[in-house]
Amino acid sequence: DARVTQTPRDKVTEMGQEVTMRCQPILGHNTVFWYRQTMMQGLELLAYFRNRAPLDDSGMPKDRFSAEMPDATLATLKIQPSEPRDSAVYFCASGLWAQSGQGVHNEQFFGPGTRLTVL
Amino acid sequence: DAKTTQPNSMESNEEEPVHLPCNHSTISGTDYIHWYRQLPSQGPEYVIHGLTSNVNNRMASLAIAEDRKSSTLILHRATLRDAAVYYCILRDVGTYKYIFGTGTRLKVLA
Repeated sequence: DARVTQTPRDKVTEMGQEVTMRCQPILGHNTVFWYRQTMMQGLELLAYFRNRAPLDDSGMPKDRFSAEMPDATLATLKIQPSEPRDSAVYFCASGLWAQSGQGVHNEQFFGPGTRLTVL
Repeated sequence: DAKTTQPNSMESNEEEPVHLPCNHSTISGTDYIHWYRQLPSQGPEYVIHGLTSNVNNRMASLAIAEDRKSSTLILHRATLRDAAVYYCILRDVGTYKYIFGTGTRLKVLA
């Protein structure tokens, strides 16, 4: 049963510390997404990659956030330095992009999330 | 990006059908309608999607208005496990990008 995995599941850190969240997409998927979910803002798309190249990172605060895909099996989201307002659940999702047509879903498969608390 | 409007919350009795509405009056001809749901403490999961015609799968049915300005997700027999936040999302055919709205929180009563 193929799933997106995320580590750590929970992270508590102090303001100013660096935080790195990791995601293993489903094998064979060519697109990876990073979302952030808070009570106030809901689910927001931060960035997404296709074939390891960033396609859109317009939702990501550029001064402190960075996202990379060192290889096809690992995506990382880094916050440096972290701030209390970064406290949220961060979701990674992956999918297999194809031009729409018969049987094409362009479904996104979400991981369980990383709950980040910045004190 | 075209927007969707959904009621904040709905209630249903167990074993009864549920109709979850979504308005998308600014939908364009190339927008697909996707529905996802988010169970408590989990990531969202795919439910169903469609373009113009009504769609059925093992989880639900999607009814799309003739003018495509609204759609309805139908759960035929709600169970307690269907309690979740349901999101209606528009996706342009040329992109993989989803813009999530606030969704509808469905409560299922035993």
